[in-house]
Amino acid sequence: EIGLTQSPGTLSLSPGERATLSCRASQSISTNLAWYQQKPGQPPRLLIYGASRRATGIPVRFSGGGFGTGFSLTISRLEPEDFAVYFCQQYGASPRTFGGGTKVEIK
Amino acid sequence: VQLVESGGDLVQPGGSLRLSCVASGFTFTDYAMTWVRQAPGKGLEWVSTISVSGASTYYIDSVRGRFDISRDNSKKTVVLQMNSLRADDTATYYCAKDQDWVERGAVGQWFDPWGQGTLVTVSS
Repeated sequence: EIGLTQSPGTLSLSPGERATLSCRASQSISTNLAWYQQKPGQPPRLLIYGASRRATGIPVRFSGGGFGTGFSLTISRLEPEDFAVYFCQQYGASPRTFGGGTKVEIK
Repeated sequence: VQLVESGGDLVQPGGSLRLSCVASGFTFTDYAMTWVRQAPGKGLEWVSTISVSGASTYYIDSVRGRFDISRDNSKKTVVLQMNSLRADDTATYYCAKDQDWVERGAVGQWFDPWGQGTLVTVSS
């Protein structure tokens, strides 16, 4: 089973600042990685797939990158609605697994 | 595209529960379907996937032999039958659309969209 480690656990930032989240895989998954955003009481929402491809309707301030075992999600300028929990998910091998999440909170 | 889950409830350890997910707004027979769960305050865990044809089913080790996934393409419905429930099965269960057929051992891809979830509580 491929493990995904997300860091940091919590990111405290102000609106307008840049957020950089990390996801590290225990073995290479090429670009088979997705990112999701989850707000309290809501289901996860797909942001990024294929490591760097934005899903339909996702603002350009969200960008993803990486290959192999190291990946990142960047929010260029935080908007109030971006404060949430973010999860990465790999689909390079079965079973598909998720990272533990990074909470982006208002500083 | 919409996914609506139902069937979550409070059940005693050892009991059974049947979750349903009704899909609309897309060609149901073009996509595998998946259940993902989230324990209260915790992260996400893939539980089970069923291929387009229903011939291929996949389970996380902790539920294999206790849970059974099925689909009715004529009713655009996917069902998760959960038996021998344990306290650590307590979670919100989400139904999610896969991105391809996931037949014959394929891994599958990302999940989009997700339903609102249904809460399963296993407690005496």
